[in-house]
Amino acid sequence: EPEVTQTPSHQVTQMGQEVILRCVPISNHLYFYWYRQILGQKVEFLVSFYNNEISEKSEIFDDQFSVERPDGSNFTLKIRSTKLEDSAMYFCASSGQFQETQYFGPGTRLLVL
Amino acid sequence: SQQGEEDPQALSIQEGENATMNCSYKTSINNLQWYRQNSGRGLVHLILIRSNEREKHSGRLRVTLDTSKKSSSLLITASRAADTASYFCAPSDGTASKLTFGTGTRLQVTL
Repeated sequence: EPEVTQTPSHQVTQMGQEVILRCVPISNHLYFYWYRQILGQKVEFLVSFYNNEISEKSEIFDDQFSVERPDGSNFTLKIRSTKLEDSAMYFCASSGQFQETQYFGPGTRLLVL
Repeated sequence: SQQGEEDPQALSIQEGENATMNCSYKTSINNLQWYRQNSGRGLVHLILIRSNEREKHSGRLRVTLDTSKKSSSLLITASRAADTASYFCAPSDGTASKLTFGTGTRLQVTL
C-alpha cells in the first residue's frame, strides 16, 4: 500500500540553524500538508500546498517557515533560523484529487538545542 | 475547519471488551474522520463518514454520525492490546481542507 515517507526520522540542531525536513507524498496525490506536534500537545496545522502554491497557512507558519516542491516527488519544509520552541514532531500529509482523507507520514522529530 | 472534542479523555478496558469514544463538533460538516496515533508515531487514518451517512463499518470499527446532535462515536469491538493508542476525530469541510485535532481519547487496553 502506498505511504507517505519522511526523512530524517530524527534531527538535532542548534538554535539559529536552518533545517530542511523532507517528505515524499503518495505519488498521485495533489494536496500536501505539514502539521506539527509539540510534545504532549495537540497536532497543529501549519500549511497546505496545492498546484505549487500555498493554499492556507496557520499563524504558526511565519516568515521563518517555507515549503517547496522542488521536483515531482519531494515536498519540503524549511525552517530558516530555528528556535527552541520549534522542537516538535513534524508530520507531512497528502491527499488525492476528490479525496478527503489525508494520509500522514511517520514524522520527523526535531530537537533544537 | 473546526476542532472536534473527544470524550472521554482517557479510557481503560480489558482485552476483548468494546471501547466507545465520542466526538462533538460545533458547525455543519462535509465529513468526519477518525485517526489513531500510537505514542510518538504518525497519525493513521481509520475511517471517514460523510454527512449523509449515519453509520459505517470497517473491520472491528463502527462509526456513527448524528448531524442533528453534531456528534459521532467510534466503537472498537473485541479490543486488543495493539489498539492501545490515542484516537482523534477530525470534522472536515471537504476536500483539501485542513484538519484540526483535539486532545483525543487515550485508550489503554490491558491483558
